[in-house]
Amino acid sequence: SQTIHQWPATLVQPVGSPLSLECTVEGTSNPNLYWYRQAAGRGLQLLFYSVGIGQISSEVPQNLSASRPQDRQFILSSKKLLLSDSGFYLCAWSPRSSGEKLFFGSGTQLSVL
Amino acid sequence: SQKIEQNSEALNIQEGKTATLTCNYTNYSPAYLQWYRQDPGRGPVFLLLIRENEKEKRKERLKVTFDTTLKQSLFHITASQPADSATYLCALGSGNTGKLIFGQGTTLQVKP
Repeated sequence: SQTIHQWPATLVQPVGSPLSLECTVEGTSNPNLYWYRQAAGRGLQLLFYSVGIGQISSEVPQNLSASRPQDRQFILSSKKLLLSDSGFYLCAWSPRSSGEKLFFGSGTQLSVL
Repeated sequence: SQKIEQNSEALNIQEGKTATLTCNYTNYSPAYLQWYRQDPGRGPVFLLLIRENEKEKRKERLKVTFDTTLKQSLFHITASQPADSATYLCALGSGNTGKLIFGQGTTLQVKP
């Protein structure tokens, strides 16, 4: 069966520090991969979307970037965090053949202080 | 711009009753609509998908309706249980990807 791993679960970072969140998927190949962010009391917002290694689509202008160095690995990064980057970050995958349904990781609660 | 609205107020019901959650949208013609369940501090879990040419879909105690004229979906949980207490998210999409637009969710509390 397929599983998705996301870490760390919680992270507290000072303003201006770098960020690296990692996500890996097991049990499937060539998945679509996503990074969503959820602000308190608000809906999930799609940040990045990838259909393959090195192929990244950015959905909103922001202080963040994403990379996909391997087929089942997706990384969210920032060189310098802002206060507004705080939130709940969720990695997700969907099958290439029927990509509508999302399978989410357990999320990372990021607090930028 | 595209907008999805779910009742931001928590829904409190008694165990055994039917819970009905509403999702309304504007400025969008989705090919499908999905419902997810999210527990505190966890990622959402997929529940049901209904396509624009479907009026109703059921899965065990869950039922979803989709009215593209009213631009509304209703999500029903029959014979509700305290374990159904969670936040339920509505999401819209139109392609063969997970690029979804999510509502802010409605929190359901089922009291024993």
